[in-house]
Order: sequence, then C-alpha cells, then structure tokens
Amino acid sequence: EVQLVESGGGLIQPGGSLRLSCAASGFTFRNYAMNWVRQTPGKGLEWVSAITGSGGTTYYTDSVKGRFTISRDNSKNTLYLQMNSLRAEDTAVYYCAMEFTVTTVGEKFGSWGQGTLVTVSS
Amino acid sequence: QSALTQPASVSGSPGQSITISCTGSNSDVGGYNYVSWYQQHPGKAPKLLIYDVTSRPSGVSNRFSGSKSGNTASLTISGLQAEDEADYHCSSYTSSNRNTLVVFGGGTKLTVL
Repeated sequence: EVQLVESGGGLIQPGGSLRLSCAASGFTFRNYAMNWVRQTPGKGLEWVSAITGSGGTTYYTDSVKGRFTISRDNSKNTLYLQMNSLRAEDTAVYYCAMEFTVTTVGEKFGSWGQGTLVTVSS
Repeated sequence: QSALTQPASVSGSPGQSITISCTGSNSDVGGYNYVSWYQQHPGKAPKLLIYDVTSRPSGVSNRFSGSKSGNTASLTISGLQAEDEADYHCSSYTSSNRNTLVVFGGGTKLTVL
C-alpha cells in the first residue's frame, strides 16, 4: 500500500524559511515523479512543484520560482520542499503527491499524503 | 482566481445524476486529453477519480464518469449516494505557461439532499 507522510509544517514569520519532508513507502520511489500541491484553507488546489524520478529535472509554478526548492533522496525514499522568503500568501496545507504513472510528471496524481499546514504570519 | 472554472456548488438527491463542469481554454482543457478529477472529503486528502478525461483508476466506482467537449470537461456522478457528498476538483495539463505544468479548478461542493 502506498503511504506518503508529510512533516515539517508550522507557524513561521514572513521572510522565514521552512523545510517540508514527505516519507514514502509501498512503491519503488525512484521510478515515480513527485509533486507538491497546496491548498489554501477553504479554497482550491494549486500545483507548486514537481521533480522527476531521478531528481534531474525540476519544475515550479511562477509564484514560488526562486524561493522554493524541490529535491529528493531516493536512498531514503523521501521528498523535500525547501521554502525560503515565505510570504503570507504561501499559507496553505501542503500535500506531497505521487504521479499516477511512471511516465508522467506534474500531470495526474494517484496518491496523496495527509498534508502539513504551513502558516506564515507575524 | 483559479485557471479552470467550476461551479461553486451543486446538489442532488440520492439516486439522481449530477454533472459538474470544468471550463478552461485551448491551452489546457481544450488542447489536451489530460483532464483529471479528484474527490475530497472534509479534512481528507484528494483522491483521483478520473484521469485522461474518461479513464477510472482501479477501484473507483463506475458511477463516476468523465467527458469533454471543446474547452469544457465534465464529471457525471450517477446514482447519487450520501457518501458522494464532498468537494470535487478538476485539473488539466497546460501549455499556457512554460513553468506551470498543471492547473486546477476552484473546486465544487456537492451536497446530497
């Protein structure tokens, strides 16, 4: 059974940094691209970032490019999101999401973690 | 404002069918057959219901079906059941921005009366 468990969220002041982690199990982690998707409380979903299975290629939505860095450690089956220069509008529940197939990146998300809440506020 | 437009809410009675629309543009919904639908119960993570416009993952009920016409995709739920009450989100691959791979709709709250 696929399991994705996020951690690292919390309350952080504007301008601060936070690193999210997503521990994966139940599948061959290195074969699948992984994503971060966020959801503002009571609002819709927003794709944030994706990384290929090897970790060689990364993608970011415009609003986080230059501030967030996605990475993965395939030896530890763990996905990361380093978030710097945080802003109030980054406040959201952050989900890690596994691609549905081994061939796609940032397209369709077959399994999701339970999410971790990031609150950016002074 | 979300890139894809969904109605904020829909409702139906048990046993009825409902349809949720998802309107985009030629750069996303209309240009590619990469539309997905997700179901999200309160406090839970989204669950993939439909991918590639019409396909269902293993284990998803055949009461859920997807379609597309032009720039609008649709999710139909037939034989409504109480447990279908949830939020539904559509997404699509997009070519409108070289940095953004996928866009979502704002979500639709389904109420089973």
